[in-house]
Amino acid sequence: AQSVAQPEDQVNVAEGNPLTVKCTYSVSGNPYLFWYVQYPNRGLQFLLKYITGDNLVKGSYGFEAEFNKSQTSFHLKKPSALVSDSALYFCAVRDNPGGYNKLIFGAGTRLAVHP
Amino acid sequence: GAGVSQSPSNKVTEKGKDVELRCDPISGHTALYWYRQRLGQGLEFLIYFQGNSAPDKSGLPSDRFSAERTGESVSTLTIQRTQQEDSAVYLCASSSRDSQGGETQYFGPGTRLLVL
Repeated sequence: AQSVAQPEDQVNVAEGNPLTVKCTYSVSGNPYLFWYVQYPNRGLQFLLKYITGDNLVKGSYGFEAEFNKSQTSFHLKKPSALVSDSALYFCAVRDNPGGYNKLIFGAGTRLAVHP
Repeated sequence: GAGVSQSPSNKVTEKGKDVELRCDPISGHTALYWYRQRLGQGLEFLIYFQGNSAPDKSGLPSDRFSAERTGESVSTLTIQRTQQEDSAVYLCASSSRDSQGGETQYFGPGTRLLVL
């Protein structure tokens, strides 16, 4: 069965420092991986996705994520955090990259960026 | 362009009443998904529609939950005889194929349901 784990409930980082939000996955076939961000009282906003190709994927707002097949990970990163990056971040996975299917979400990681 | 819209944004109801939640997908998106997000938790899949195919209802938690979609437009999620454990944010997403042949789901703002 497909699953996603976000091992950290919360990540704290100082503004200007690099940030990493961790995600590991388990799928039976080829993974199709996503990161979404949720600001308070709002829906999820798409950040980036990995289908195939380059292991480093660049997305919105300066975020990027690195796909590591051997470690089954897809960690979200940003070189220099902003206070406005403070939000709830969700990693999601599905198989069958060529079709339509539901997403399996992690429990979420709350990112707090301190001035 | 316009994103996914949902209505109402908030709904308070009494236990045992029926509620209907509405989702307007992005124009041209062929797939539509419903998810539920309980307080402090991730999203749980409920149901999805893709074109004229039979919907995937595998995530519906009980027969009190049902959903319909008219063509490739509006969808309604109905919860009958609501229970307090139905309190959650109900999120709708729509998608279509992108240039890479993949699919990205775009989410609406959600309907926050509170069952008293």
